[in-house]
Amino acid sequence: DAGITQSPRHKVTETGTPVTLRCHQTENHRYMYWYRQDPGHGLRLIHYSYGVKDTDKGEVSDGYSVSRSKTEDFLLTLESATSSQTSVYFCAISGTGKNSPLHFGNGTRLTVT
Amino acid sequence: GENVEQHPSTLSVQEGDSAVIKCTYSDSASNYFPWYKQELGKRPQLIIDIRSNVGEKKDQRIAVTLNKTAKHFSLHITETQPEDSAVYFCAASDVHNQGGKLIFGQGTELSVKP
Repeated sequence: DAGITQSPRHKVTETGTPVTLRCHQTENHRYMYWYRQDPGHGLRLIHYSYGVKDTDKGEVSDGYSVSRSKTEDFLLTLESATSSQTSVYFCAISGTGKNSPLHFGNGTRLTVT
Repeated sequence: GENVEQHPSTLSVQEGDSAVIKCTYSDSASNYFPWYKQELGKRPQLIIDIRSNVGEKKDQRIAVTLNKTAKHFSLHITETQPEDSAVYFCAASDVHNQGGKLIFGQGTELSVKP
């Protein structure tokens, strides 16, 4: 299995608070992604990174920001959490980018009350 | 950008029967189509993928077919077993930006009844 660790695995937070989720990989892969999973919507891309300090928006980026200061870590921040951001968040990595599979972490279940 | 539609959303079959899940995509430039299986409470895991220069690919009881002209691809599972019960996702590559993004379908919950 790809070496991907997401933390925390579960988090409950209140509306309006900032939240940061961490994805750590030991594969030295260039590409990293944050997806959210909600019933009926599949997996939707929030942000992705194609190198250190190189990031771009996905389909559902509003309310989220990311940072990648080193190859192994990709952080997802909810600036001011809302109930609509209650979801399961998956980090994924890819070594070669285009036309190659993504390998997913175990996910973070976030509940915003 | 790319859009992927997946059908059906739920599928129930008897053990030993075949199951077929279909996906359509919108961007004719897409050239990579993976399928993922997600068991309850687990992460999605790649089960098979196909690239646009191939029309069909098989791996034991699983096969994927691709029709580039019609912009659709399908997952076929033969001789289904209870352990095939899971949610299956199709995806298509978005080739217009950096980073090898995958756009996913909405998922199909497959239930195999013993």
